[in-house]
Amino acid sequence: DVKVTQSSRYLVKRTGEKVFLECVQDMDHENMFWYRQDPGLGLRLIYFSYDVKMKEKGDIPEGYSVSREKKERFSLILESASTNQTSMYLCASSPTGAREVFFGDGTRLSIL
Amino acid sequence: AQKVTQAQTEISVVEKEDVTLDCVYETRDTTYYLFWYKQPPSGELVFLIRRNSFDEQNEISGRYSWNFQKSTSSFNFTITASQVVDSAVYFCALSERRGSTLGRLYFGRGTQLTVWP
Repeated sequence: DVKVTQSSRYLVKRTGEKVFLECVQDMDHENMFWYRQDPGLGLRLIYFSYDVKMKEKGDIPEGYSVSREKKERFSLILESASTNQTSMYLCASSPTGAREVFFGDGTRLSIL
Repeated sequence: AQKVTQAQTEISVVEKEDVTLDCVYETRDTTYYLFWYKQPPSGELVFLIRRNSFDEQNEISGRYSWNFQKSTSSFNFTITASQVVDSAVYFCALSERRGSTLGRLYFGRGTQLTVWP
């Protein structure tokens, strides 16, 4: 089974902290994505990556950065966390040439 | 640009009622994929169906059925004889093509379905 693992299910951080959300997939997928989910807004794309060391901005990249040093790991970084970044974050991956997208279980992040 | 609209924010039904969740999409691509996902209160996204733009056949899976109509750019989802366990947020999504692979997904805002006993 394909597994997309997000490092934490729940996370509480303070305003101004640098926050790392980690996502690891075990199926050698080229494509990885970070989405943010807020009630009534659906899932919105923050950043994505189609290969190692590559990254592209999604619809709401402000306040975030990403790192993809290894194929299996895609990290989302909140450079200086703010309360408006309290949200559910979902990581996803997909292989090139396939028609499947696999999601992690999500991280509920609270910024106090 | 791609866009997915789920006009129904919340729907409440009583158990055993049939319920249809609407999804309307916009895209300039001729080849694309449409998805439905279920998100129960626990938060994980559960994949329900994928449909490509060349296949307009309706699909039935148990109590679930999907009606894809390119002429109206709609991909509606019907639950027959709803059950309490169907209570969840349901998302419709559209994928752009990127060569031979799926690109990013564009999600609708979701429909909260509540099924009362």
